[in-house]
Amino acid sequence: DTEVTQTPKHLVMGMTNKKSLKCEQHMGHRAMYWYKQKAKKPPELMFVYSYEKLSINESVPSRFSPECPNSSLLNLHLHALQPEDSALYLCASSQEGTGTDTQYFGPGTRLTVL
Amino acid sequence: AQSVTQPDIHITVSEGASLELRCNYSYGATPYLFWYVQSPGQGLQLLLKYFSGDTLVQGIKGFEAEFKRSQSSFNLRKPSVHWSDAAEYFCAVGRNNNDMRFGAGTRLTVKP
Repeated sequence: DTEVTQTPKHLVMGMTNKKSLKCEQHMGHRAMYWYKQKAKKPPELMFVYSYEKLSINESVPSRFSPECPNSSLLNLHLHALQPEDSALYLCASSQEGTGTDTQYFGPGTRLTVL
Repeated sequence: AQSVTQPDIHITVSEGASLELRCNYSYGATPYLFWYVQSPGQGLQLLLKYFSGDTLVQGIKGFEAEFKRSQSSFNLRKPSVHWSDAAEYFCAVGRNNNDMRFGAGTRLTVKP
């Protein structure tokens, strides 16, 4: 099973809402990633978790808060977002975080901030 | 600084025709190079990657890419395009997964 699942598929939220994105993989991967992809743009790395510890934070605003409760699950908590945060949020996983082993991507959550 | 340039924003080819998508990179050391495909509403899927060795790399779905150090290029090719190949294609460069930089992407349209 090489699947990364993400829920929800679509999310619409107001600027004062608090919501969470969820990502799950059962491949035994020890690295998990959050990417942000604006329309017609390439994905940009936001966070990397390696062995359930945050190893990379690409200067992401604090209104985005990642969480890795266990090796299979990755959450992204959202609070007080801005309309410019509307994007496709992609989760990925790989065997290890420091190598170049293949990243497997989920289908993404399309977020709209009103 | 590392960067990736995909000169073609949009390419249209007829089904059955050959395809070449261009990718140029700038990197301080020997790069690791990747091609990903993203179908509408989907995440990215790795087509192939180059680390070292043979400069012609075979990937999934009949794709191949050739690394040319002298031209700083890593172009993706397919001899005969199928309608299902219509998608967005991203070239990426990086020494590891924490360091991946994607190009702007090339959108492929396949004409019947």
